[in-house]
Amino acid sequence: DGGITQSPKYLFRKEGQNVTLSCEQNLNHDAMYWYRQDPGQGLRLIYYSQIVNDFQKGDIAEGYSVSREKKESFPLTVTSAQKNPTAFYLCASSPLRTAGANVLTFGAGSRLTVL
Amino acid sequence: GNSVTQMEGPVTLSEEAFLTINCTYTATGYPSLFWYVQYPGEGLQLLLKATKADDKGSNKGFEATYRKETTSFHLEKGSVQVSDSAVYFCALSDRDGTSYGKLTFGQGTILTVHP
Repeated sequence: DGGITQSPKYLFRKEGQNVTLSCEQNLNHDAMYWYRQDPGQGLRLIYYSQIVNDFQKGDIAEGYSVSREKKESFPLTVTSAQKNPTAFYLCASSPLRTAGANVLTFGAGSRLTVL
Repeated sequence: GNSVTQMEGPVTLSEEAFLTINCTYTATGYPSLFWYVQYPGEGLQLLLKATKADDKGSNKGFEATYRKETTSFHLEKGSVQVSDSAVYFCALSDRDGTSYGKLTFGQGTILTVHP
């Protein structure tokens, strides 16, 4: 079955450490996204990518980095510069269109806790 | 900028009760509108969508109508079940061809249905 796989599901990090969250999709979607979810705040866009080797900052990109070396993969690194990294991180993908309703497919999420 | 406002939760109902979750939006142009649902410990799933004014999205007994005059997209279900307990997110997507799948989310509404 096609879908999005995020790993790990749970991750604990000490302050000052960088961590990388994996996101892989086999839906042949061109666009991929990273969202952060905090209680009572909905989802906020961190980074997105429409094609390989290209990505754009979202609303809260500070302290995060991404790469898009393959169409299927869009890993997110949470750096030590991110002041409040404890959150639930969601990866999503969608077909690339120029108009109309782009429906996002989401992964199951990765919960990062900083100790 | 774009914004989405949902009614505050949590919402607690008895099985077979009528459900309404209010959603209003602010956007330039004519956005597409979505309701996503998140079950405990999972990612988001698309529940329904509408792409133009007066469109009605429906799925699994849930309905929402795109009301341009009131900038609203309220979610309704005539008879809820325990299995509907989840977090519900209203979201919008620009249709300007440059934003693709970038979604603006509301803060989410927690629904709990008791037997």
